[in-house]
Amino acid sequence: GNSVTQMEGPVTLSEEAFLTINCTYTATGYPSLFWYVQYPGEGLQLLLKATKADDKGSNKGFEATYRKETTSFHLEKGSVQVSDSAVYFCALLLTDSWGKFQFGAGTQVVVTP
Amino acid sequence: DTAVSQTPKYLVTQMGNDKSIKCEQNLGHDTMYWYKQDSKKFLKIMFSYNNKELIINETVPNRFSPKSPDKAHLNLHINSLELGDSAVYFCASSQVGRTDTQYFGPGTRLTVL
Repeated sequence: GNSVTQMEGPVTLSEEAFLTINCTYTATGYPSLFWYVQYPGEGLQLLLKATKADDKGSNKGFEATYRKETTSFHLEKGSVQVSDSAVYFCALLLTDSWGKFQFGAGTQVVVTP
Repeated sequence: DTAVSQTPKYLVTQMGNDKSIKCEQNLGHDTMYWYKQDSKKFLKIMFSYNNKELIINETVPNRFSPKSPDKAHLNLHINSLELGDSAVYFCASSQVGRTDTQYFGPGTRLTVL
């Protein structure tokens, strides 16, 4: 089956620290990979995506590279801000699945001043 | 303007009651979804509609019945509410052919007492 595994939170770090959230996947097909972010009290927002191997998605200082050989899509940011405090979801989507995302369990990130 | 809106934002009710959650999108999208997020933040798709036609119907108790009166609306009706139905329910929408980019509503927190 298809699944996404991401590191458990909460991840607590200080402002300007380096953030990494690990994400690995298993898929029966060739998926597109995504990171969604959920700020407190809000719905999910697309943060970045990659549709094929070695693609790098980037947005708002966040980056993730689609690594087919390690079936991974780790999220990184070089210098976090308090406003980055949120829950981050890794997800995969298979072609022709009509938007049926498979989400990871989410990783809460808490950034302190 | 709110792109995807849900009402109510909070819903507290007794076991055995019937309740509805409404969702509206003003993005002109063709496809709408319902997701359930449990207390551990795990997010799972429940239903998907495209042009008022049911596309995805995950293993959801038949107490849950989605209804799409038109492309801009997808309501969720829940009969005989149970304690385990307590969760945050998110509505989302996307363009057909762009199901990889879904826009989420702010969520409805349902508490069953």
